[in-house]
Amino acid sequence: EVQLLESGGGLVQPGGALRLSCAASGFTFSSYAMNWVRQAPGKGLEWVSAISAAAISTYYSDSVKGRFTISRDNSKNTLYLQMNSLRAEDTAVYYCAKDPDGDLHFDYWGQGTLVTVSS
Amino acid sequence: DIQMTQSPSTLSASVGDRVIITCRASQSISSWLAWYQQKPGKAPKLLIYKASSLESGVPSRFSGSGSGTEFTLTISSLQPDDFATYYCQQYNTYSTFGGGTKVEIK
Repeated sequence: EVQLLESGGGLVQPGGALRLSCAASGFTFSSYAMNWVRQAPGKGLEWVSAISAAAISTYYSDSVKGRFTISRDNSKNTLYLQMNSLRAEDTAVYYCAKDPDGDLHFDYWGQGTLVTVSS
Repeated sequence: DIQMTQSPSTLSASVGDRVIITCRASQSISSWLAWYQQKPGKAPKLLIYKASSLESGVPSRFSGSGSGTEFTLTISSLQPDDFATYYCQQYNTYSTFGGGTKVEIK
């Protein structure tokens, strides 16, 4: 059974930093591109970042480019999102999501972790 | 950036109704479109990919159609478990989601 378990969310002040993790199991993690998607409270979904299976390529939305860094450790079956220079508008539930075909659609999602940016 | 516009934003329907949700792209995305269902407090669930391919395990009452800029998600006979919010997503150029359609009980 595919499982994705996010962690690392919490309350952080504007300008602060946070690192999210997503532990994967139930599939060959190193064979699939992975993504982060976020959802602000009461709002819709926003794709944030993607990383290829071998971590050779990374992609970011314009809203986080230069502030967030996606990475992965295939030996630990774990995906990461380093978030720096956080802003109030980054407040959201952050989901990690598996990409079955490397084309940015997502067949499995984690349960999400809440990031709140507030003073 | 490609913008995705869903309509309606809210839809009231009864069990057994045929429901159609529309998604329009600001430019052609070929068939690179997916549909997701999300229930409150839960992660989204993939229903349809490549505009009309049914994800494994998804009931056959869900179907998708369209190409280019106009797409539809159809639920042939609405079931109690289907009351949720539905999102379309383009993945032709990076990824953009529509604003969502909430399907409510009439």
